[in-house]
Amino acid sequence: EADIYQTPRYLVIGTGKKITLECSQTMGHDKMYWYQQDPGMELHLIHYSYGVNSTEKGDLSSESTVSRIRTEHFPLTLESARPSHTSQYLCASSARTGSRSGANVLTFGAGSRLTVL
Amino acid sequence: RKEVEQDPGPFNVPEGATVAFNCTYSNSASQSFFWYRQDCRKEPKLLMSVYSSGNEDGRFTAQLNRASQYISLLIRDSKLSDSATYLCVVPLGGSQGNLIFGKGTKLSVKP
Repeated sequence: EADIYQTPRYLVIGTGKKITLECSQTMGHDKMYWYQQDPGMELHLIHYSYGVNSTEKGDLSSESTVSRIRTEHFPLTLESARPSHTSQYLCASSARTGSRSGANVLTFGAGSRLTVL
Repeated sequence: RKEVEQDPGPFNVPEGATVAFNCTYSNSASQSFFWYRQDCRKEPKLLMSVYSSGNEDGRFTAQLNRASQYISLLIRDSKLSDSATYLCVVPLGGSQGNLIFGKGTKLSVKP
């Protein structure tokens, strides 16, 4: 039923490893986002994209990078994972323009829970 | 004032109770507002959008007070399944801006 997919759902990895969190959506949305959320805390925007070849940094500084080569795909990469990167990473998408109700309504993926040992 | 502020709770209420949450925002230019619901260890899901003075959907009513820059969410006849964290969401810099999420208000409905 989900229109936005994230893999892996859970990842436990050692310090220094490179990781890529995958996010794909089938809704044809132009805008995509990555949020970071620690347990019991608020969501923080770390990256977003208005469309293909567009990437911007969000409000929270992050050592991760993103790419947007295809509309439906917005992967997030950490070149060298550290324990401080342990968190939940949520991908979301929204329609860029159009109806007022659609432009800012986010659809979230189920999240990728990362633990760095 | 923080961009979006919510009472973190928790609100512990019995089934059938009416409960209200408030959320204040700092950007007076914001035009649209949202309430999202997030269950424990799950992703947020849209509950209601608020564009004018308010919106009602079944047991849920959202109201907007632009003069005082706050929005509220009222839940009537609370159900056990309403237990969740309710996130107030406001666009940054107008209707097309990125969304700012509040910390959320935790609701626990008890039998």
